[in-house]
Amino acid sequence: DSGVTQTPKHLITATGQRVTLRCSPRSGDLSVYWYQQSLDQGLQFLIQYYNGEERAKGNILERFSAQQFPDLHSELNLSSLELGDSALYFCASSVDPEGGELFFGEGSRLTVL
Amino acid sequence: AQSVTQLGSHVSVSEGALVLLRCNYSSSVPPYLFWYVQYPNQGLQLLLKYTTGATLVKGINGFEAEFKKSETSFHLTKPSAHMSDAAEYFCAMIMNSGYSTLTFGKGTMLLVSP
Repeated sequence: DSGVTQTPKHLITATGQRVTLRCSPRSGDLSVYWYQQSLDQGLQFLIQYYNGEERAKGNILERFSAQQFPDLHSELNLSSLELGDSALYFCASSVDPEGGELFFGEGSRLTVL
Repeated sequence: AQSVTQLGSHVSVSEGALVLLRCNYSSSVPPYLFWYVQYPNQGLQLLLKYTTGATLVKGINGFEAEFKKSETSFHLTKPSAHMSDAAEYFCAMIMNSGYSTLTFGKGTMLLVSP
């Protein structure tokens, strides 16, 4: 158990809809990362937050947004969903915002029909 | 731009055989390097890391990796494969100067047969 909690584990929705994925980091970790994992693209970095502030942005679509709340949990919002958004979405957290030692949750599997 | 290349999307070995998963990096300066493992239906878990110092690093479950600057490589090895090693393995890098985020390779699926 990494200590990172993601909900929901599975989500099935239709094209055009909006979903919210939630992540609770390990106790004491201030940095939260979101990754998308798909068969064709592999692991893609989406966005990082540190202590409530956006720290780095990767290949995140404009239809996607995220935030980190004062209690340090984070949410990833995906809107106007397309078939290609079907993927596994991972949240990770770390103590060091510039280090590479990340602790991953078990992921949220999104299926868009 | 920095990148990580993993040679072979799938590697098959027999139980008890040597495991060798290849990783090469591209960056202007030597980065910090990592190997992560992903078991079925689970998140990624850190296997080992190289930052500075000794170039041969040992990780969990008997795995080790050697940083070779001249070859820009960080190959993962294990002397004797176990069935429980079957998983997907990701090599990753991060720059050790200035700010950057962790960059992953595309992963190598390790298949272990009895």
